[in-house]
Amino acid sequence: EAQVTQNPRYLITVTGKKLTVTCSQNMNHEYMSWYRQDPGLGLRQIYYSMNVEVTDKGDVPEGYKVSRKEKRNFPLILESPSPNQTSLYFCASMSGGYTGELFFGEGSRLTVL
Amino acid sequence: GQQLNQSPQSMFIQEGEDVSMNCTSSSIFNTWLWYKQEPGEGPVLLIALYKAGELTSNGRLTAQFGITRKDSFLNISASIPSDVGIYFCAGQAGGTSYGKLTFGQGTILTVHP
Repeated sequence: EAQVTQNPRYLITVTGKKLTVTCSQNMNHEYMSWYRQDPGLGLRQIYYSMNVEVTDKGDVPEGYKVSRKEKRNFPLILESPSPNQTSLYFCASMSGGYTGELFFGEGSRLTVL
Repeated sequence: GQQLNQSPQSMFIQEGEDVSMNCTSSSIFNTWLWYKQEPGEGPVLLIALYKAGELTSNGRLTAQFGITRKDSFLNISASIPSDVGIYFCAGQAGGTSYGKLTFGQGTILTVHP
C-alpha cells in the first residue's frame, strides 16, 4: 500500500530536549516536505526537498532542521524545542511530475511543555 | 512568504444545501489545488487546476482557476454528512519556486442531517 509514515504520532516533551520526527514514503517520490498545522493558520511549509541531498526552506523554518540522505526518508529535527513549536506536523511527498498532488502522512501531534 | 486568504473560515449548513468557498492571493500561481482533511488524517487532494480559467468537476465538486491566476473557488453541490471536514486551497508557484506550496487557512465545514 502506497503511504507516508510518520513517527511518533503523539509526543509530549519538555523545552530544550532534542527530538526527531521521522518520515518515510514507499512511493519512490523525489519530493518531500514538512508542514505544521495550527488553528486559524492552516498548513505552513517548514522545509521541502526536491531530491536526495537537496533541501530548501519553506515559510517557517526557524527552529527546525531536516536532512535527506535517502530518497524514502525525510526526518524533521527540533534541536531545542520551545512551547511555540507545539503543533500538528505533517510530512508529505509528491512524484517527480510536481503536479501539486501531495500525499500526506497521518500527522504527528507534538506538545512542548 | 506568500499569503492565501481563504473564506469563509467556517460554514454550518443543512444536508442538501450547496456550498461555496474561495481563495485569493496577492501573488500569481501556476497551479491551484483543493484538499480535504477529515478528523485525525492528513489532507487528501480533491481537485487540481493547471490553467487560468479552467473549470474542473469531480462528482459533486466543481473548482475554477481564476483568470487573473490570483484566485480560485470550490463549490460543493447537494451536500451530504460525509462532506464534513476542513477544506484547504493551495497554490503552487512556478519557475524556481515550484517546490513551495502555500496553503490557505482552511474552511471548516459542518453538515447537519
